Order: sequence, then C-alpha cells, then structure tokens
Amino acid sequence: GAGVSQSPRYKVAKRGQDVALRCDPISGHVSLFWYQQALGQGPEFLTYFQNEAQLDKSGLPSDRFFAERPEGSVSTLKIQRTQQEDSAVYLCASSFPKTGPDTDTQYFGPGTRLTVL
Amino acid sequence: EDKVVQSPLSLVVHEGDTVTLNCSYEVTNFRSLLWYKQEKKAPTFLFMLTSSGIEKKSGRLSSILDKKELSSILNITATQTGDSAIYLCALESSYKLIFGSGTRLLVRP
Repeated sequence: GAGVSQSPRYKVAKRGQDVALRCDPISGHVSLFWYQQALGQGPEFLTYFQNEAQLDKSGLPSDRFFAERPEGSVSTLKIQRTQQEDSAVYLCASSFPKTGPDTDTQYFGPGTRLTVL
Repeated sequence: EDKVVQSPLSLVVHEGDTVTLNCSYEVTNFRSLLWYKQEKKAPTFLFMLTSSGIEKKSGRLSSILDKKELSSILNITATQTGDSAIYLCALESSYKLIFGSGTRLLVRP
C-alpha cells in the first residue's frame, strides 16, 4: 500500500474490556514497531517485529499487552482488561532494515486513539 | 539511559517569522537523529541526520546535527500557518526510536 494504515482510528472501551488494534505496514517492509503516545508526550516504544519474529517487547507496560504478526505482514496489538491509564494514541511504524552504518527511516501510520472510560 | 530533550515546549510566532527548535540528547550508541512533524496523529518524516550527514535542507526547513554538543536544531524560515504542528525529535538507539516530548509550534496569520 501507499503508507502504513491502522484501524480503527478511534476506539472507546469500558474499563475491563479487551481491545484489538490493527496495523497494515507498507508493503515489503520487514520491520514493524508499535509506539504509545500519551497526551502531550512523544511516542514511547512498545515492541518491535522483524518479519513474524517479535525481537523486542521490552516496552510493553504490562502482561495485559500482547502483540503479534503471525505472517510477517499485518500486526495486531491486543490489550486485555483495559484500564484508564491505557488511554493513548497507539502508533504503528514500519521500515525496511538495512545492514551497515546507515539506518532506515520509520514511517508512521495515523494511529488509533484509545479512550478507556 | 538514552534520553531526548526538546525546547521550547511551545512557541507562537507570526507568519513570516523564522523559528529555531532545539533538541539535545544523551545516547550510549549514536546511530541517527530524526525530525518528524506531527499535525494530527501520524508523525511525518522530515530529516535524518547521521555522522555522515550532519546538515539537511528541504525548502524552508533545515536541520543541523552537532555531535560534539549532542544537539540538533530545526530551522524553519518564512513560517506559514501550515507549519503549525508538533515537531518531534527522535534518537535511533539500536532499532527503536526514543522521542522527546516535542515542540508545539503555532503560526498565527
């Protein structure tokens, strides 16, 4: 596709509900990232995939957060038993990794704004 | 711990003004520093600065990396109302990005 897409764009959940957020990366991009952006803050890293392998999940705030990318393309971020502090914009980014000293740019999707009541 | 600090937090200018946004960082293993513009939700890529590319320019926007001072600036000349946005500075640490809190720029007509 032309860019990273995410759905839904907005999600309102009652406290305790489970939610699933979807990310479609740029076609052919091997790397996929999830970030969480609280109001007035910069995005914070949650997790990183290279193809279907989740290589880093150190940023996931608790075991209620789970991410997967089973076929190395679309990814889903799932939050179980949502709490008010989970309210944030969840951003997905993709890139194509290169070896060597140069780095590759991460391109971001529009995000999903999650509000937990 | 790797860290990015941006200043000012917010800025209000009039169309035509020139602005300079600041980013300072602490990092164990520097790979690159990136600038993004965030208008509604998606941060859109502006520049990537590396050890081999410390100065970038695109139209009215330019950015410089000072590796000695561990800082970068983003300049916008002849500002327009469409430049109103949050400007995010990010450090690439291994593969993940570490962002500052951003500078919120408002350009008044």
